[in-house]
Amino acid sequence: AQSVTQLDSQVPVFEEAPVELRCNYSSSVSVYLFWYVQYPNQGLQLLLKYLSGSTLVKGINGFEAEFNKSQTSFHLRKPSVHISDTAEYFCAVSEKGSYIPTFGRGTSLIVHP
Amino acid sequence: KAGVTQTPRYLIKTRGQQVTLSCSPISGHRSVSWYQQTPGQGLQFLFEYFSETQRNKGNFPGRFSGRQFSNSRSEMNVSTLELGDSALYLCASTWDRGEVTEAFFGQGTRLTVV
Repeated sequence: AQSVTQLDSQVPVFEEAPVELRCNYSSSVSVYLFWYVQYPNQGLQLLLKYLSGSTLVKGINGFEAEFNKSQTSFHLRKPSVHISDTAEYFCAVSEKGSYIPTFGRGTSLIVHP
Repeated sequence: KAGVTQTPRYLIKTRGQQVTLSCSPISGHRSVSWYQQTPGQGLQFLFEYFSETQRNKGNFPGRFSGRQFSNSRSEMNVSTLELGDSALYLCASTWDRGEVTEAFFGQGTRLTVV
């Protein structure tokens, strides 16, 4: 069975600074990887996904992530954050052949002015 | 194209009561999954329905049940509510033909048990 570890429960950062949210996964088979964002009192919205091909994936709102198979990581990055990026971010993994993603515990990104 | 719709958005119930939550998936999506989200446990998978059949099940007690109708709409029911059932319940639908894509989430139903 797959599992996901988000290494930081909370990441404070100043506006316009770069940020990296870390995600590691474990699985014995090939996987699909996702990052979702959740704003207060909302559902989850997909930021980006890795299915195959290029290991650098670009998503919405200026976010990108890099799939590193040897390190089983899928870290999320943004070069310059905005106040509006304050939200909860979830990394998820889905094994090929399964439609049920497993989610990490989430990382709360707090952007200070 | 309409997104995933969950009703109601907010609910307050008393311990011991039961509750039914509804989820309408995106048109054409046949797989509907339910998740419980709490501050302490994060997102936990409840169950998944596909073509009116429960295809996958998480590790929740039998008080949590669900069903799916022929139009893919799904309901989940929680009987004999406990204080610990207070949570945000999220529904997600998936296009499950061919290549896997992402799950699309509704805004959730915030259940408060008092």
